[in-house]
Amino acid sequence: GENVEQHPSTLSVQEGDSAVIKCTYSDSASNYFPWYKQELGKRPQLIIDIRSNVGEKKDQRIAVTLNKTAKHFSLHITETQPEDSAVYFCAAGAQKLVFGQGTRLTINP
Amino acid sequence: GAGVSQTPSNKVTEKGKYVELRCDPISGHTALYWYRQSLGQGPEFLIYFQGTGAADDSGLPNDRFFAVRPEGSVSTLKIQRTERGDSAVYLCASSLAGGGMADTQYFGPGTRLTVL
Repeated sequence: GENVEQHPSTLSVQEGDSAVIKCTYSDSASNYFPWYKQELGKRPQLIIDIRSNVGEKKDQRIAVTLNKTAKHFSLHITETQPEDSAVYFCAAGAQKLVFGQGTRLTINP
Repeated sequence: GAGVSQTPSNKVTEKGKYVELRCDPISGHTALYWYRQSLGQGPEFLIYFQGTGAADDSGLPNDRFFAVRPEGSVSTLKIQRTERGDSAVYLCASSLAGGGMADTQYFGPGTRLTVL
């Protein structure tokens, strides 16, 4: 079955700097790669997703890149703000999703 | 419109008891998913419905866990003979359609289950 590895587990950056979170997956049948943001005690919220027929997608300060050959995908957040502080999860799959272990991102003012 | 809703928001039960957790998906969403999230971990897949049928139940940990979606809308996750290790947040998600290419999954707020 699918296995998703996510790094780093914690990330601390200065406000205004960029943050990058990386994930690898194992199952070449996976065709959908969403990223979720989860604040303490809240539900996971989709922030961006990418499908296997696309290599890169951008939405304002957030971008995701996908390398199908290497089976890895990354989340890039530019011009970070304090409200970006949360736990971020990558996931991979087709219908069912397999999630990474999460990255706790802290933005220091 | 209304998002995915789950009831109850919290459930405390004793070891060995039976519990039911309910999920109301977004109206018109044909696919429904159950995940379980333990503290400090990512959501873990349990079961996926396409309409009324369970399309993939490979994530259910054992036969104490069962889920139904009799009319293709509301779903109930049922846990028999609960154990302390079942304590977690149970998340439900729905998407507009299943099929070959995955669709965006929208999560509910979860039910926090505590087994004493």
